[in-house]
Amino acid sequence: AQKITQTQPGMFVQEKEAVTLDCTYDTSDPSYGLFWYKQPSSGEMIFLIYQGSYDQQNATEGRYSLNFQKARKSANLVISASQLGDSAMYFCAMSPTNTGNQFYFGTGTSLTVIP
Amino acid sequence: IAGITQAPTSQILAAGRRMTLRCTQDMRHNAMYWYRQDLGLGLRLIHYSNTAGTTGKGEVPDGYSVSRANTDDFPLTLASAVPSQTSVYFCASSGPVLGFQETQYFGPGTRLLVL
Repeated sequence: AQKITQTQPGMFVQEKEAVTLDCTYDTSDPSYGLFWYKQPSSGEMIFLIYQGSYDQQNATEGRYSLNFQKARKSANLVISASQLGDSAMYFCAMSPTNTGNQFYFGTGTSLTVIP
Repeated sequence: IAGITQAPTSQILAAGRRMTLRCTQDMRHNAMYWYRQDLGLGLRLIHYSNTAGTTGKGEVPDGYSVSRANTDDFPLTLASAVPSQTSVYFCASSGPVLGFQETQYFGPGTRLLVL
């Protein structure tokens, strides 16, 4: 069975500080993709970053980086220099190869950036 | 059109009525998906289609049907709506290469209330 766990229902961070949002996953498939999405209060789902299970380096996209620890099955999202506009729900998702391109989502973390 | 569009934006529906949620993408993506998002449960896959003419069941398919007559359109039908189908519905697509671990891009969502 595929499973994604986000254990932090809510997080607070001071503006300009860095924050780490946790994500662990469980799959028996050796090949998979890991994704993070942002959902602001307006409701749309915005793709942030992707990490492949065979990628040697952690993915980075601007202020977003993915701390990928394969042995621990974790794929934490790090947001550096938080901005007020980063306040949103953040979802981690996994796509194992043997399921085609089906995504499995975590329950999300609500991030609030404090001025 | 740019990306994925969904219609209607929101709908109030009487229980027992039939409803079709529309989804259209102009990115020529092969694969399309329908998710429902419920508070505390994240996004759950209802149905998917890896290519025109094919469909498959996701995690929560009961009470829903889909069709994929062409590449661009992927309608979701509730044959006889029930209150437990009150949710926010997201359509997504991935591609253009049919394969695995492709990033999924989401439509703006449809908010459905079944009374």
